[in-house]
Amino acid sequence: GAVVSQHPSWVICKSGTSVKIECRSLDFQATTMFWYRQFPKQSLMLMATSNEGSKATYEQGVEKDKFLINHASLTLSTLTVTSAHPEDSSFYICSARSLGPSSYEQYFGPGTRLTVT
Amino acid sequence: LAKTTQPISMDSYEGQEVNITCSHNNIATNDYITWYQQFPSQGPRFIIQGYKTKVTNEVASLFIPADRKSSTLSLPRVSLSDTAVYYCLVGGNKLVFGAGTILRVKS
Repeated sequence: GAVVSQHPSWVICKSGTSVKIECRSLDFQATTMFWYRQFPKQSLMLMATSNEGSKATYEQGVEKDKFLINHASLTLSTLTVTSAHPEDSSFYICSARSLGPSSYEQYFGPGTRLTVT
Repeated sequence: LAKTTQPISMDSYEGQEVNITCSHNNIATNDYITWYQQFPSQGPRFIIQGYKTKVTNEVASLFIPADRKSSTLSLPRVSLSDTAVYYCLVGGNKLVFGAGTILRVKS
């Protein structure tokens, strides 16, 4: 149980275009999803917290107009990188927190490798 | 959010028990302690979570002293496939990752 998927697993796009990454909780409902970014040989950096049906909360330094987050249902959150630039190339990882007694457990997706050329 | 401090790296041999200690001096009353494992180019994998005392599951044990200012992840009889980065996180509503510990298991 507690499986989180991401799609796509990798994507290459041209500078200036937008890319959408999906995060799904496959076998549980997630009221809260989180988006992280990880550069090579670095730790995960929290970008934003996404609650179903409400606006995402962004961490300091993360541009909300560039990284659009939508959490339309209890099993799906999307991250859209708008007007992507090469410096946005990174490994993007989502996580979902389940409802229920173990509500502090977060389960992570496999990640999406974004390369902007 | 409580800051965590872990050793940057550790080396071990197959079959040994590995203990990774994490310091979190300013842990809040409501905070849980959670450990994750991450392999290159993969998302972190949940290992274990605890609030106090000792927690054990099929892959690891977590020891938390009474003051909760530190915790120790214990991996019994490690194998080469346990070579990974291990993160200790403290929090409840959201988790902020520290630098993690690179564990290298040698044959």
